[in-house]
Amino acid sequence: EAQVTQNPRYLITVTGKKLTVTCSQNMNHEYMSWYRQDPGLGLRQIYYSMNVEVTDKGDVPEGYKVSRKEKRNFPLILESPSPNQTSLYFCASSPGDYSPLHFGNGTRLTVT
Amino acid sequence: AQKITQTQPGMFVQEKEAVTLDCTYDTSDQSYGLFWYKQPSSGEMIFLIYQGSYDEQNATEGRYSLNFQKARKSANLVISASQLGDSAMYFCAIPRLGNEKLTFGTGTRLTIIP
Repeated sequence: EAQVTQNPRYLITVTGKKLTVTCSQNMNHEYMSWYRQDPGLGLRQIYYSMNVEVTDKGDVPEGYKVSRKEKRNFPLILESPSPNQTSLYFCASSPGDYSPLHFGNGTRLTVT
Repeated sequence: AQKITQTQPGMFVQEKEAVTLDCTYDTSDQSYGLFWYKQPSSGEMIFLIYQGSYDEQNATEGRYSLNFQKARKSANLVISASQLGDSAMYFCAIPRLGNEKLTFGTGTRLTIIP
């Protein structure tokens, strides 16, 4: 089944404790991205990647890191999480220009 | 820069009625498109419909259609014969630089009343 898989679905952590949210897609898509969703703000892009070893900042990249060492994986790293990073996070992929994004099921992160 | 506005934070609609969800946009691109996504209470994001700015006819996918009016810079989603399962958040989004950056609106929460 074609899908984008994010893990974990739920994560509660404390301020400053490094964490990684994994994202993997099995559709051989070139493009992958991360979004965060906050009430009243919609979805905002954190980082995106057009291909292996090619990543770029989205609208809200501060406090986040990503890597694209393999085409299928695009982990999101929070080196030192803070409470303002409490949010619902989505990974997404697509084959390219103007194609719909395929979203993962989301990761709900709480930082206390 | 792209901008998307969804002016209806919430809507209540009687079951079986048609629904129009508003979306206006602002873009400097000559060629662009508009996506609509649905987010049910379970949280996943579901692609509904897409239309490119140069498409002649409004897009249709089952009960969903896009009322694209370029002169007014609006791309409203129309859901015909609403069902209880249509209760969800709905987001419109406009791509930048192809699909590298997608700007989302703030969403409309639709509730279908039996």
